Amino acid sequence: ETGVTQTPRHLVMGMTNKKSLKCEQHLGHNAMYWYKQSAKKPLELMFVYNFKEQTENNSVPSRFSPECPNSSHLFLHLHTLQPEDSALYLCASSSRDRNHYGYTFGSGTRLTVV
Amino acid sequence: TQLLEQSPQFLSIQEGENLTVYCNSSSVFSSLQWYRQEPGEGPVLLVTVVTGGEVKKLKRLTFQFGDARKDSSLHITAAQPGDTGLYLCVRGGSQGNLIFGKGTKLSVKP
Repeated sequence: ETGVTQTPRHLVMGMTNKKSLKCEQHLGHNAMYWYKQSAKKPLELMFVYNFKEQTENNSVPSRFSPECPNSSHLFLHLHTLQPEDSALYLCASSSRDRNHYGYTFGSGTRLTVV
Repeated sequence: TQLLEQSPQFLSIQEGENLTVYCNSSSVFSSLQWYRQEPGEGPVLLVTVVTGGEVKKLKRLTFQFGDARKDSSLHITAAQPGDTGLYLCVRGGSQGNLIFGKGTKLSVKP
């Protein structure tokens, strides 16, 4: 347990489904992130929230919709996904100078789109 | 460019062997971090290096930051199966985010 909890751990969904990924941290961090990890690619930053405000949207398709109701919770709402969206989706949080103190990652949600 | 190049991409060794993996960039880092990601889990921070020439040790792992702060290496002594995983080199980006290399996938066979 790293302090960042992601649910579900595994998700299989059809292209017409709507589902949500959940991330929760009680580390007192003020920033939360969604990353996508695909085979043979570096981790790709999707969204950044600082103090509940979205500060970065890294050209992510609108079929991915983030929500940050408070500084401890982060959601990623999914709808009409494509098979190429299958990947490991990682949530992370950080505090203060993230370049020095690093990120704490959750264990990820392994998403398969069929 | 802020890209990070890691080498080798894959490494398979026997238990007890030593190994070194590398991280390089054409630009200077203010700081650099190494993470390890085990199968089915998220990355876990191992170390942060800040000063050029800095060397940090974590049990059998030795991390070095290049004098010019453009490169770093990770050396593992007497590797064990528990060292198996993806080793990621990470630097800070210009927008305050982290930039990840593709990683070195290490497999240590008993």
